[in-house]
Amino acid sequence: EPEVTQTPSHQVTQMGQEVILRCVPISNHLYFYWYRQILGQKVEFLVSFYNNEISEKSEIFDDQFSVERPDGSNFTLKIRSTKLEDSAMYFCASSVQGVFQPQHFGDGTRLSIL
Amino acid sequence: GENVEQHPSTLSVQEGDSAVIKCTYSDSASNYFPWYKQELGKRPQLIIDIRSNVGEKKDQRIAVTLNKTAKHFSLHITETQPEDSAVYFCAASMTGFQKLVFGTGTRLLVSP
Repeated sequence: EPEVTQTPSHQVTQMGQEVILRCVPISNHLYFYWYRQILGQKVEFLVSFYNNEISEKSEIFDDQFSVERPDGSNFTLKIRSTKLEDSAMYFCASSVQGVFQPQHFGDGTRLSIL
Repeated sequence: GENVEQHPSTLSVQEGDSAVIKCTYSDSASNYFPWYKQELGKRPQLIIDIRSNVGEKKDQRIAVTLNKTAKHFSLHITETQPEDSAVYFCAASMTGFQKLVFGTGTRLLVSP
């Protein structure tokens, strides 16, 4: 069964540095998402992406964050000038369509900001 | 915006018992309700979902019921097994919005 893949599995970064989290969505999926989960808490929506543009974003997704689909397979989340509170598990997800369609999650990237 | 409440936060059952987890949502425009199972350190995995035009859906030992009037939906697991132990999250989304709004999670522990 096809899966969403994410790299790296764990990223340790100094506060103030930039990080790029990478995702390869399932190949025939058209909608892509980033969520984050702070340890022990619920999963929170960050952004959705369709047709090479952001379709929706949350209040969390401020100017510090950006997303990109640099080629036909990768989907990236960039966090500029990281803060301690950015430490979390970041999940990428994808779905065939945007409405009523299951979102399939990757294994996540654990981001630790020191 | 949409808010999803989930209860209980923890649930302990004996193997073979049934488990029920309940969620309520705030926005009547929500019309898609998936349930995810998350084992420790792993990805959320979709286990069942329901759309607002359906009142109940069943898949083997798992069922979900939806009450649109009361704006709540529930996950039912029958004949629980130790491997059902995990955190379960409900979620909701609205037509025209792709984002999932998650509940706070229920930690289910099934004891042999």
